[in-house]
Amino acid sequence: QSVLTQPPSVSGAPGQRVTISCTGSSSNIGAGFDIHWYQQLPGAVPKLLIYDNTNRPSGVPDRFSGSKSGTSASLAITGLQAEDEADYYCQSYDNSLGAVVFGGGTKLTVL
Amino acid sequence: QVQLVESGGGVVQPGGSLRLSCAASGFTFINYGMHWVRQAPGKGLEWLTFIWNDGTNKYYADSVKGRFTISRDYSKNTLYLQMNSLRPEDTAVYYCAKGTTVTETLDYWGQGTLVTVSS
Repeated sequence: QSVLTQPPSVSGAPGQRVTISCTGSSSNIGAGFDIHWYQQLPGAVPKLLIYDNTNRPSGVPDRFSGSKSGTSASLAITGLQAEDEADYYCQSYDNSLGAVVFGGGTKLTVL
Repeated sequence: QVQLVESGGGVVQPGGSLRLSCAASGFTFINYGMHWVRQAPGKGLEWLTFIWNDGTNKYYADSVKGRFTISRDYSKNTLYLQMNSLRPEDTAVYYCAKGTTVTETLDYWGQGTLVTVSS
């Protein structure tokens, strides 16, 4: 199991809002290390979606937003669109392991 | 624009070795740390290793420590992953990714190269 815990799947109808949680511990998110989110469309390479907890790279729609509190973080997607159907991964650093850590990934299905 | 192009994947027998390469362009290679990440078929992302921009420090996941070695060649703007004692569970798509420090984001990814460990 992953150091960062994500729900295996979430779903929502077009236009709805969904959130994906990422739960860590005092040695990663709780230690103050930033959370980053990646989107992997089917058959594609992972793409940076949110960096440093809340920031969007150029070109990422503002429908995507990130937040962090305590030992957890969340990715929110508003105005859900069919093209948002993908796998989403959170990532941070764990100072107990001395390693970069990924969440197990969450598959978003647009109904 | 940033480009990362991996090569060197293929089929190798258990216990064998393989060296992956990642040719970098579009940025000043010596200024950035670099990662290797893999993804087994149908599975999630697994971080493997990171090398500092100047090559002086390296970090490894426990799953590959002692078997895999990351290195870089500044004259060729190329990142390498030497993989020894390969196991069937090492079968995956291997991605190189550009970073900054080890705690920060992986902002650009290559297209990946498939490694299959099978007899």
